[in-house]
Amino acid sequence: GGIITQTPKFLIGQEGQKLTLKCQQNFNHDTMYWYRQDSGKGLRLIYYSITENDLQKGDLSEGYDASREKKSSFSLTVTSAQKNEMAVFLCASSIVASINERLFFGHGTKLSVL
Amino acid sequence: GEQVEQLPSILRVQEGSSASINCSYEDSASNYFPWYKQEPGENPKLIIDIRSNMERKQIQELIVLLDKKAKRFSLHITDTQPGDSAMYFCAASSNTNKVVFGTGTRLQVLP
Repeated sequence: GGIITQTPKFLIGQEGQKLTLKCQQNFNHDTMYWYRQDSGKGLRLIYYSITENDLQKGDLSEGYDASREKKSSFSLTVTSAQKNEMAVFLCASSIVASINERLFFGHGTKLSVL
Repeated sequence: GEQVEQLPSILRVQEGSSASINCSYEDSASNYFPWYKQEPGENPKLIIDIRSNMERKQIQELIVLLDKKAKRFSLHITDTQPGDSAMYFCAASSNTNKVVFGTGTRLQVLP
């Protein structure tokens, strides 16, 4: 079996700071996703990537950048952290592009902005 | 963008009774409808899914129904147990691989 590793687990930032979250998967999955989870708002899609070097905007992409450096890794950058922001960022992957299959999730990065 | 509505946001049921969660979607090209369960402190995990070529699927106590005409799908948990208490998310996706989630339902199974 494979695993999705998100780093760091906890991230504390300052207002206005640029923050980068990393995600690695060893499933050899094609597609990777970044979601933001806020209490009462479910999982909102920020960016996804169908294959290496591909990047697709989700509904919440404003204020974020992403990069699919290689097939196994997908990073997310918060371009300017908002004061008092608190959320969990979940990375996920799925097996093959163009075929809908289940997502496998990482354990999340918890962001707090002071 | 595409939206998936999910209701109710909180659901309390007595142990042994049934629980139902309803979702609706907008994109008529959606063809895959998974359900995820998230326990406290854990990541979401797939529990059951249904594709657009089916109307009903059952895995043990979990039943999913899909009404493509109405663009609605639902999860029914029969004979609920304390271990079923968790957050549940529905989702919908099409061949673009964009997976859109509902806002979640917190299910509490009361003893």
